[in-house]
Amino acid sequence: EDKVVQSPLSLVVHEGDTVTLNCSYEVTNFRSLLWYKQEKKAPTFLFMLTSSGIEKKSGRLSSILDKKELFSILNITATQTGDSAVYLCAVNHGANNLFFGTGTRLTVIP
Amino acid sequence: EPEVTQTPSHQVTQMGQEVILRCVPISNHLYFYWYRQILGQKVEFLVSFYNNEISEKSEIFDDQFSVERPDGSNFTLKIRSTKLEDSAMYFCASRGTSVWGSYEQYFGPGTRLTVT
Repeated sequence: EDKVVQSPLSLVVHEGDTVTLNCSYEVTNFRSLLWYKQEKKAPTFLFMLTSSGIEKKSGRLSSILDKKELFSILNITATQTGDSAVYLCAVNHGANNLFFGTGTRLTVIP
Repeated sequence: EPEVTQTPSHQVTQMGQEVILRCVPISNHLYFYWYRQILGQKVEFLVSFYNNEISEKSEIFDDQFSVERPDGSNFTLKIRSTKLEDSAMYFCASRGTSVWGSYEQYFGPGTRLTVT
């Protein structure tokens, strides 16, 4: 059975801290791993990773994939209160859809 | 910036009633999806649609559900006879044609369906 497991389930940090969110997966026919940020409603696309070892960066956010150990991390440096959200990891597993983890709820306090 | 839109934002219906949730995908996208998220749970795939037909569906997408692209812009999800357990946030998503392995789906803001 396909699995996407995110950890931690929730995290509370102070502004300025650096956080690392984890996503491990066991799926058949892996094609890509995606990270989304979900605030009030719609998941907002952050990154898509298809190759191991290549870091994707966007401002203070970065992500990397390890296809041998079957995991990805999402790093956020110098966190701000606006980073508070649920961060979702999803895997495209050969079927024409995304398989999501349960998410990590990040709370950044001033 | 192009975005996926959905209407209504919130729908309240009585058990047994039919509902239609509407989506306008990004205009040059060709692949369309419906997902749902029951409160406190993870986002779950329902159905994908390409070239005017369903390309994949999950176990959740039973005979009570149907999808349609009635014109060149709208994409709808119909639930024929709603049940209490259909209460959830329903997300529409779309993506364009892209190279193998590139499945960057963009999500709409969702419709919150409440079945009473």
